[in-house]
Amino acid sequence: DQQVKQNSPSLSVQEGRISILNCDYTNSMFDYFLWYKKYPAEGPTFLISISSIKDKNEDGRFTVFLNKSAKHLSLHIVPSQPGDSAVYFCAAGPPGGTSYGKLTFGQGTILTVHP
Amino acid sequence: GAGVSQSPSNKVTEKGKDVELRCDPISGHTALYWYRQSLGQGLEFLIYFQGNSAPDKSGLPSDRFSAERTGGSVSTLTIQRTQQEDSAVYLCASGSSGSSYEQYFGPGTRLTVT
Repeated sequence: DQQVKQNSPSLSVQEGRISILNCDYTNSMFDYFLWYKKYPAEGPTFLISISSIKDKNEDGRFTVFLNKSAKHLSLHIVPSQPGDSAVYFCAAGPPGGTSYGKLTFGQGTILTVHP
Repeated sequence: GAGVSQSPSNKVTEKGKDVELRCDPISGHTALYWYRQSLGQGLEFLIYFQGNSAPDKSGLPSDRFSAERTGGSVSTLTIQRTQQEDSAVYLCASGSSGSSYEQYFGPGTRLTVT
């Protein structure tokens, strides 16, 4: 049962344009959402997060939007740069408790930004 | 080192053999996590250590998998009697406390079972 889904395995964008990466989830108990970026042969690196009490969080070129009613979040990268080319994972965390750190990840979306 | 380190970076083993994967978390981080990523899949949670609390083992796929964390620092993930379906990248992450979702990942160990 895939509780966090990234339905687009890949996305190709021109440099300078907007990249929009999407993520859907099924568990309404998820309390916190994160985006990670992964380069080949490296571990994922944290990019940006959002709490379920917010609908938007912005950090420089990166903005995450959360639509709780639709159980959908998206990551916007504006403007996109060739160095942004990587695999992007969305992840969701449960409410606080003994499993606070247990993240559920999507399958990832490969972003390619062309010069 | 400044980040999470894992060893070995690559491991090839024969089916039926036992393997041990090591993780050195960021110094001072009390939370430690193991995940694995199979080909074409997302990261799958395996186990979570937080301080002196009992670990959350709910993600371990079978009793062939076990993990320990000694002295609140280094962790070892052991897979006994490896099977071909165990082939994956095993990722370790650490966090500053059990109250933070932000996790810092190591480069992973690529395990291939032949």
